Amino acid sequence: NAGVIQTPRHKVTGKGQEATLWCEPISGHSAVFWYRQTIVQGLEFLTYFRNQAPIDDSGMPKERFSAQMPNQSHSTLKIQSTQPQDSAVYLCASSRDWASSYEQYFGPGTRLTVL
Amino acid sequence: GMPVEQNPPALSLYEGADSGLRCNFSTTMKSVQWFQQNHRGRLITLFYLAQGTKENGRLKSTFNSKERYSTLHIKDAQLEDSGTYFCAGSRNMGYKLTFGTGTSLLVDP
Repeated sequence: NAGVIQTPRHKVTGKGQEATLWCEPISGHSAVFWYRQTIVQGLEFLTYFRNQAPIDDSGMPKERFSAQMPNQSHSTLKIQSTQPQDSAVYLCASSRDWASSYEQYFGPGTRLTVL
Repeated sequence: GMPVEQNPPALSLYEGADSGLRCNFSTTMKSVQWFQQNHRGRLITLFYLAQGTKENGRLKSTFNSKERYSTLHIKDAQLEDSGTYFCAGSRNMGYKLTFGTGTSLLVDP
């Protein structure tokens, strides 16, 4: 079991460019979560999917950010027209969503730097 | 106030010492996870609790949903315990996590 896989591990973009981050959840896990971590804001929730359906995107900035889960094996987070304040580590997590445990397993993160 | 208040923000221990971290929740949580974030930034789950107490080696965690707090106790601290520790609560099973602000732990020889 490779765990949650995130690619790329590091991404550097210029201001105004688009960035797409990828997440492959653990096989068999039905829920996928996106978080981001910055020094100032700490770890904050962005959005999540259950059985590929979007459930809660209350943490997503209303403009420029979008997330999709086209199939059970991957999810993407897209940031259009990136800004320096989007620089952060973006973390993906998945969980089995069984009655016995809803533990979330985290990937290594994608460090996004917007110049 | 903050939905998850974590204390202390920083902690310095000598090898062999015992200490504890605490998270207070402003609202009722159904479960809590404790993480250690290593030097590469990876979040490693230490505990997942829906209630009660769990132990794993030198670590012990307690979660009291009704009293709205959770604790992480480290016994016989080792150098490799250094890092940042986060608690995170979930208001419903399978729901998003709300994280504490972290405790930066440094263990000195």
